[in-house]
Amino acid sequence: DVKVTQSSRYLVKRTGEKVFLECVQDMDHENMFWYRQDPGLGLRLIYFSYDVKMKEKGDIPEGYSVSREKKERFSLILESASTNQTSMYLCASSSIGGRHEKLFFGSGTQLSVL
Amino acid sequence: AQTVTQSQPEMSVQEAETVTLSCTYDTSESDYYLFWYKQPPSRQMILVIRQEAYKQQNATENRFSVNFQKAAKSFSLKISDSQLGDAAMYFCASTDSWGKLQFGAGTQVVVTP
Repeated sequence: DVKVTQSSRYLVKRTGEKVFLECVQDMDHENMFWYRQDPGLGLRLIYFSYDVKMKEKGDIPEGYSVSREKKERFSLILESASTNQTSMYLCASSSIGGRHEKLFFGSGTQLSVL
Repeated sequence: AQTVTQSQPEMSVQEAETVTLSCTYDTSESDYYLFWYKQPPSRQMILVIRQEAYKQQNATENRFSVNFQKAAKSFSLKISDSQLGDAAMYFCASTDSWGKLQFGAGTQVVVTP
């Protein structure tokens, strides 16, 4: 069974901490995405990557960075966590086939910044 | 830029009845796909149905069907014979040429016995 695994289901951090959210996929997918989910706003794209060591900004990249050193792993980094980054974070991957490809999602990380 | 609008925050339906979720979108792409994803309480996003913009025939997957009106940029989802397991948040989404998805705000479906 194909999988996108996010390292933590729940995470509590303090303001100013550096936070790493890890995502690993076992489908040899080229594309990987980080979304943020907030009530009433749906899912918003933070960053995405189409290849190893490659990254592109999404719609809301401010306050975030990413790292993709290996094809299967895509990390989201909060350099200095703030309370307005309290949210659900979803990682997804897809093959390079194009616009028709469905995304495979992880189960999400609920991050609380206190 | 793409935008996707879901104007119904919540919809309630009785078991075995039919419910229709609305979605409108705006895109500058000439070729695009539209999707409906379901997110149950487990938080695992599940693809329900997808529609290619060039296909006039509405997509159907078992009890799920869409009404795709390209000129009106409308893409509604109909759930027939609703079951308790259909209770979830439903997201409408459109994709650009690179496969990036733009999501709507979501519609919570409540199924009552």
